[in-house]
Amino acid sequence: DGGITQSPKYLFRKEGQNVTLSCEQNLNHDAMYWYRQDPGQGLRLIYYSQIVNDFQKGDIAEGYSVSREKKESFPLTVTSAQKNPTAFYLCASSPPGTLYGYTFGSGTRLTVV
Amino acid sequence: GENVEQHPSTLSVQEGDSAVIKCTYSDSASNYFPWYKQELGKRPQLIIDIRSNVGEKKDQRIAVTLNKTAKHFSLHITETQPEDSAVYFCAASTRGSQGNLIFGKGTKLSVKP
Repeated sequence: DGGITQSPKYLFRKEGQNVTLSCEQNLNHDAMYWYRQDPGQGLRLIYYSQIVNDFQKGDIAEGYSVSREKKESFPLTVTSAQKNPTAFYLCASSPPGTLYGYTFGSGTRLTVV
Repeated sequence: GENVEQHPSTLSVQEGDSAVIKCTYSDSASNYFPWYKQELGKRPQLIIDIRSNVGEKKDQRIAVTLNKTAKHFSLHITETQPEDSAVYFCAASTRGSQGNLIFGKGTKLSVKP
């Protein structure tokens, strides 16, 4: 997947349960991002990290948490506080600066059961 | 902050016709403008990009034009084929958001055989 791997591809969450989505990249990119995509909708930014041990909230961070302990990894936890978590989650990475596009992972489809 | 507007939201063309998708941005400091193609259930993939020191860029059947004065940029697809059917996202990169891309809401392109 172009050097950025998301797992699992499909994930089912029970009510009140926390789940963690994995995102790993071997592109040596400094910046990593999490987006949520609902059916027929655009990309909404959840969290982003420009450097290890630092991350910032995006537009819809409530009910989500992240960590960035390693350059290669940026896991996203969907907590029980996120009341409507069913969506397609996309992780992306990019080199530093403003002149480069993102490389996206293949996504995780999360469904509440 | 930066705002990116994308039009139209849906576009239907006959195979062989041209398709044009337009985006406007608000931050005159934006300096990088990528376009992504997302097929159903898959990850967005970068198809072409343009930097602010260039007015036009072509790659086979696709081209992007940039008008910095008017703050708009467009994607042109010529000789459309059914496999061009997908959702297309424009984006703008701005220093104000630490290099984050701000995405448009997407255009669903349908190419009818």
